[in-house]
Amino acid sequence: DTEVTQTPKHLVMGMTNKKSLKCEQHMGHRAMYWYKQKAKKPPELMFVYSYEKLSINESVPSRFSPECPNSSLLNLHLHALQPEDSALYLCASSPPRAGGREQFFGPGTRLTVL
Amino acid sequence: GQQLNQSPQSMFIQEGEDVSMNCTSSSIFNTWLWYKQDPGEGPVLLIALYKAGELTSNGRLTAQFGITRKDSFLNISASIPSDVGIYFCAGRGGSQGNLIFGKGTKLSVKP
Repeated sequence: DTEVTQTPKHLVMGMTNKKSLKCEQHMGHRAMYWYKQKAKKPPELMFVYSYEKLSINESVPSRFSPECPNSSLLNLHLHALQPEDSALYLCASSPPRAGGREQFFGPGTRLTVL
Repeated sequence: GQQLNQSPQSMFIQEGEDVSMNCTSSSIFNTWLWYKQDPGEGPVLLIALYKAGELTSNGRLTAQFGITRKDSFLNISASIPSDVGIYFCAGRGGSQGNLIFGKGTKLSVKP
């Protein structure tokens, strides 16, 4: 298995809903990342997990809550989001040998907040 | 903070033409990565560069890590319609630094 998978592919939610995004990789990567990408913009880093511990939180609002249950899984829990949070949410992972220098992205979850 | 200038912002070319795009930084990087992103999909890693002066090819793609460690370029030879997409450069400085992304080059290819 040589890829990062993300579910769901698309998600539409209301501002009062609670939902979760899921990311999975079985490549033995020990660093995993959440990015947010708006249309025609580069990805913006949100969170970094290294060896299942949160190492970087780029001042993300608390309505986004990451979780790393094990070395293969990364979740992003969403609650009370705003319409401006609508974006493509990307998960990425890095192999240990590259020291986090190479990042491999999943296909993303297209989130729409109504 | 660190910033990357990626140019050109967009390109419209004829099928079969060669393409060149580049990224420059105000600070030194120890890694340069080039990604391609199709609409609605995640970025796909094309080429990774780790040493100043390094020249690496991946099929019709060639990328170089600049000698000054502040720039990188990506060339695509003999473009084809499936080369259409947005190309991002990304750099990393230091052992713990995050990836810094350029703003992307949108490539359009006319058959």
